[in-house]
Amino acid sequence: EAQVTQNPRYLITVTGKKLTVTCSQNMNHEYMSWYRQDPGLGLRQIYYSMNVEVTDKGDVPEGYKVSRKEKRNFPLILESPSPNQTSLYFCASSLKRPGLAGGSYEQYFGPGTRLTVT
Amino acid sequence: GQQVMQIPQYQHVQEGEDFTTYCNSSTTLSNIQWYKQRPGGHPVFLIQLVKSGEVKKQKRLTFQFGEAKKNSSLHITATQTTDVGTYFCAGLKAAGNKLTFGGGTRVLVKP
Repeated sequence: EAQVTQNPRYLITVTGKKLTVTCSQNMNHEYMSWYRQDPGLGLRQIYYSMNVEVTDKGDVPEGYKVSRKEKRNFPLILESPSPNQTSLYFCASSLKRPGLAGGSYEQYFGPGTRLTVT
Repeated sequence: GQQVMQIPQYQHVQEGEDFTTYCNSSTTLSNIQWYKQRPGGHPVFLIQLVKSGEVKKQKRLTFQFGEAKKNSSLHITATQTTDVGTYFCAGLKAAGNKLTFGGGTRVLVKP
């Protein structure tokens, strides 16, 4: 089954304790992205990757890191989490980058990770 | 930076009635995508609009892209309880690599 998986689905942690949220897709997609969702603010992009070893900042990258060593995986790293990073996080992937001529490169979203930082 | 605004933020609709949600961008867009997120779920792609003035229909849903490619709308006719959820638009600037999502319209249906 084609899907995007995220782990963990729920996480409660304390300020300053490094954590990693994993994301994996089995669709051979080139483009992967991380979003956070907060009430009233919609989905805000944190980082995106257009292919292996190619990553770039989204709109709210502060406090986050990513890596793309393999095509299928795109982990999100919080080196020193703070309470303002409490949020619902979604990983997404698409075959190509959005807007590339020739197709509607829809994004497939993972189930989400609800993170609470105390 | 680019901003995408959606109105209304909340929409209470009587079952069977029609409603429209609007999406406005501060900059000209290359394309716009719409997603639906059911309560407790993740966003699911509905459609992409690319051409100026484009109109696309999916059963009871009608999507429109403005002539200036700075706004879009989603119109739902004869609302059903299955339409409950949050609808997001996401715009892409010309030659851009990332989508900017609006804040979403949360739709509640009264039976």
